[in-house]
Amino acid sequence: EAGVAQSPRYKIIEKRQSVAFWCNPISGHATLYWYQQILGQGPKLLIQFQNNGVVDDSQLPKDRFSAERLKGVDSTLKIQPAKLEDSAVYLCASNSRGIAEAFFGQGTRLTVV
Amino acid sequence: GQNIDQPTEMTATEGAIVQINCTYQTSGFNGLFWYQQHAGEAPTFLSYNVLDGLEEKGRFSSFLSRSKGYSYLLLKELQMKDSASYLCAVDSGGGADGLTFGKGTHLIIQP
Repeated sequence: EAGVAQSPRYKIIEKRQSVAFWCNPISGHATLYWYQQILGQGPKLLIQFQNNGVVDDSQLPKDRFSAERLKGVDSTLKIQPAKLEDSAVYLCASNSRGIAEAFFGQGTRLTVV
Repeated sequence: GQNIDQPTEMTATEGAIVQINCTYQTSGFNGLFWYQQHAGEAPTFLSYNVLDGLEEKGRFSSFLSRSKGYSYLLLKELQMKDSASYLCAVDSGGGADGLTFGKGTHLIIQP
């Protein structure tokens, strides 16, 4: 079974530029999460989707971050404009109803300079 | 608010046993997870506790006390490959089941 796929693996941008990350969850997983992991800290939930609907985006900085999952499968997370403090690893995870554990992708490491 | 505390770093010896503690104060509780994360890699699932008591899975065991807001992860017969960060995370429920993570415990295994 293929795991959660994310791209790109690494991205370096200048502040005030925009950037987008892509995630393809495990086939059949209805729930998809985006987490932000700053160096030395645990992941922080940004947004949770159930199919193509948003379940929780309470910690998403909506003035600059947006995410979508239009067909209920893959998802994109966008930052516009980026700030230095957005430097982090952006992790995508998915799981299926009735299964407790979430499966994580390898993440996209973003560096804002 | 949500608060999850775990030690920042621990050191143990190959072949020994180590216990990583986690305390939590969250608005609700649907279960507690432990994940392992090697440097530069994705977190991988280790254990899930929803009821009080000990869950054993090979060399790894996890304990939960909901009344005390406390969990620990016990690693036996330590191997060098166990050097990693161990993340404690809580599903606080409320319809959404995204996890609240602690900062992680960096475990260093020495020969």
